[in-house]
Amino acid sequence: GENVEQHPSTLSVQEGDSAVIKCTYSDSASNYFPWYKQELGKRPQLIIDIRSNVGEKKDQRIAVTLNKTAKHFSLHITETQPEDSAVYFCAARRLAGYSTLTFGKGTMLLVSP
Amino acid sequence: DGGITQSPKYLFRKEGQNVTLSCEQNLNHDAMYWYRQDPGQGLRLIYYSQIVNDFQKGDIAEGYSVSREKKESFPLTVTSAQKNPTAFYLCASSIDRTAYNEQFFGPGTRLTVL
Repeated sequence: GENVEQHPSTLSVQEGDSAVIKCTYSDSASNYFPWYKQELGKRPQLIIDIRSNVGEKKDQRIAVTLNKTAKHFSLHITETQPEDSAVYFCAARRLAGYSTLTFGKGTMLLVSP
Repeated sequence: DGGITQSPKYLFRKEGQNVTLSCEQNLNHDAMYWYRQDPGQGLRLIYYSQIVNDFQKGDIAEGYSVSREKKESFPLTVTSAQKNPTAFYLCASSIDRTAYNEQFFGPGTRLTVL
């Protein structure tokens, strides 16, 4: 089955800096890669996703890049703000047939004012 | 907030007791999921259901059981066979499992075994 590795497990940055979270996956057939944000005491929510036919996707201060050859994808947050502090989960999924999401173990991002 | 609810928010259980966690959604979603969240372990899939009266084991199904008698409801029973049940349990739903469909999560139930 799929295995998703996520690094780092914790990341501390100063407000205004950029943050990068990286994930690798094992199943070359995976072709859908969402990112979820979980604020303290709240439920995970989808913040951005990317499909395998796209190399990069941006949404305001958030971007995701995908390298299918190397089987890794990354979340980039620019101009970080204290409200970006949360746990971020990457996930991977094969869309052929009935497959499920496999999540990484999460990255706790702390943005200090 | 997403139309998916879980109850109770906190649950305490004595060792040897079965306990059932509730999950309800009014999004008309076909697919529903149960995840377990432990610190540093991410979200691990316990069971999922694509349609009423059908469900499949996930990666860590041992010691758990589910039912899907109604489209809106997907209760999870944590049995006494689950060796380490203390965890945060999240229920999720999506339109179906065959496309790029977002999973919407409930607020979670924190189960503590005393």
